[in-house]
Amino acid sequence: NAGVTQTPKFQVLKTGQSMTLQCAQDMNHEYMSWYRQDPGMGLRLIHYSVGAGITDQGEVPNGYNVSRSTTEDFPLRLLSAAPSQTSVYFCASSSTGTPDTQYFGPGTRLTVL
Amino acid sequence: AQSVTQLGSHVSVSEGALVLLRCNYSSSVPPYLFWYVQYPNQGLQLLLKYTSAATLVKGINGFEAEFKKSETSFHLTKPSAHMSDAAEYFCAVGSSASKIIFGSGTRLSIRP
Repeated sequence: NAGVTQTPKFQVLKTGQSMTLQCAQDMNHEYMSWYRQDPGMGLRLIHYSVGAGITDQGEVPNGYNVSRSTTEDFPLRLLSAAPSQTSVYFCASSSTGTPDTQYFGPGTRLTVL
Repeated sequence: AQSVTQLGSHVSVSEGALVLLRCNYSSSVPPYLFWYVQYPNQGLQLLLKYTSAATLVKGINGFEAEFKKSETSFHLTKPSAHMSDAAEYFCAVGSSASKIIFGSGTRLSIRP
């Protein structure tokens, strides 16, 4: 049982490039979320999914795209990277619709030059 | 709307001293409240959670938190700090799995 896995761990992009951050969980959780963590700002919700085929926007969705074709995977796409997207990105999953324990991946540290 | 405020971005205590990390929340519905801990270069892991049962919640590693509705607070405490407690701590409030708001975090340092 690997929990929540994220790849890559580190990534450097140039402005305007696109990329996909991968997230997978093996706990059969329905709920999955993407957060970004910036110094002094805690974690902010980018997008979330309540099940396969269902996604919705969080607090800071601009510049990001998501899809959920399977229960296990929830990739985050950066369409055209900008320096403002330099951050640490965390994927999380939880099993129920009530605010239950979220299980976090180890994070992806992204730098956009 | 929900919000959470963590008082103090950095707290430093001596080893063996009391740890007190402050969290105040705002919620229009009965809140679910959480404390998470983040060790360097790792993801967050749950310390404890309040879900409207007992107001005093015990978590892992000797931490506990008390829900005080009248003060809209959920402060985290530990009687005796250990060097291994050095980390960043996040308070969070939620009304659903997709609406969990995190505070800005408090970095805890432990002095030998």
